[in-house]
Amino acid sequence: QSALTQPASVSGSPGQSITISCTGTSSDVGGYNYVSWYQQHPGKVPKLMIYDVTNRPSGVSNRFSGSKSGNTASLTISGLQAEDEADYYCNSYRGGSTYVFGTGTKVTVL
Amino acid sequence: QVQLVQSGAEVKKPGASVKVSCKTSGYTFSDYYMHWVRQAPGQGFEWMGYINCNNGYTNYAQIFKGRVTVTRDTSSSTSYMEMTSLTSDDTALYYCMREGTKFFPYWGQGTLVTVSS
Repeated sequence: QSALTQPASVSGSPGQSITISCTGTSSDVGGYNYVSWYQQHPGKVPKLMIYDVTNRPSGVSNRFSGSKSGNTASLTISGLQAEDEADYYCNSYRGGSTYVFGTGTKVTVL
Repeated sequence: QVQLVQSGAEVKKPGASVKVSCKTSGYTFSDYYMHWVRQAPGQGFEWMGYINCNNGYTNYAQIFKGRVTVTRDTSSSTSYMEMTSLTSDDTALYYCMREGTKFFPYWGQGTLVTVSS
């Protein structure tokens, strides 16, 4: 089972906006509106940032937003802050009661 | 508040088995599915499988079928993940995650399993 494809790294200056892509197929990202995003700081447990493509859990900053077009989902971080420096992973339902994660993206705040 | 507390780190020899526990509190255990994932050192996440904590139904990623078994004990609100025939490639942090509806808002703290001769 191949992982969803994410860029290895994305960087931006404080205050800028960045977008992380998550590319799958019509069997996962493109076939269901069940894409979620997780933030992981070094040595920490992942934190849910976005679910069902666009929804933000209570307590997550509105600087984080999600979208999807075809087989590619995206996470946008606006007004980039130092605390946003972390690894980010997408996840998608893949049908047949299975799930798949993305390869992960390291976000660096310059 | 929802809590998932996993068992401690394990060191195993190649060919051995390991069983990791995930004790939950703060919600009705049987109302949700419990998933297991792993993260090898410096790597991404690999979804392993899940259990329906109500009826015990399980499903696994193809690569883990036959080698991983997820179970639950409703009396103690605990899920277990057992993996057999360990190799060095199985060295990783193993996490349990409580499902929302096709997303994962709650995670255990992770259990490091090291496979070394």
